[in-house]
Amino acid sequence: DVKVTQSSRYLVKRTGEKVFLECVQDMDHENMFWYRQDPGLGLRLIYFSYDVKMKEKGDIPEGYSVSREKKERFSLILESASTNQTSMYLCASSLSGRNQPQHFGDGTRLSIL
Amino acid sequence: AQTVTQSQPEMSVQEAETVTLSCTYDTSESDYYLFWYKQPPSRQMILVIRQEAYKQQNATENRFSVNFQKAAKSFSLKISDSQLGDAAMYFCAYRRGYQGGKLIFGQGTELSVKP
Repeated sequence: DVKVTQSSRYLVKRTGEKVFLECVQDMDHENMFWYRQDPGLGLRLIYFSYDVKMKEKGDIPEGYSVSREKKERFSLILESASTNQTSMYLCASSLSGRNQPQHFGDGTRLSIL
Repeated sequence: AQTVTQSQPEMSVQEAETVTLSCTYDTSESDYYLFWYKQPPSRQMILVIRQEAYKQQNATENRFSVNFQKAAKSFSLKISDSQLGDAAMYFCAYRRGYQGGKLIFGQGTELSVKP
């Protein structure tokens, strides 16, 4: 089975801090994604990556950056955390290919105080 | 831009009964995929079923089936013989047909199952 592991289930940080959310997958997937999930809004794509050192902006990239130095790891960075970034963050990965589904991690519940 | 709409924030079904969750989408593309994902209270999102737009036949996975109406841009999920373990948030999602395309999600429908 595909395993997508997010480093923290719950995280509490303060406004202005630099926050790192880590995601690791163990199935040699080319594609990796970061979403945030908010009630009534579903999941919205923040950033995604098709390959090592490659990144593409999603629908809501403002206030975030990402890093993919190794194929299995995709990090989401909140440069200066703000209270409106309090949310659930989900990482996903997939193989390249037309019919490949995305596999998700358990999520990180991030609270910015 | 593509959009996905789930108009039912909450649904409820009696155990062993059948329930249908609605999803509509908007796209000008002809090549795309549609998905239903399930997110149980433990939070890990899992794939329930997928449908390729070019395929006329509705997808089926055990007790889960879809009603894909391409002209109406409708993609509903039917759960037969509902079980307590079906209680979850269900998300409909759209993806363009090229490889690696991003998913566009609906708002979600929270399904509760009554014993």
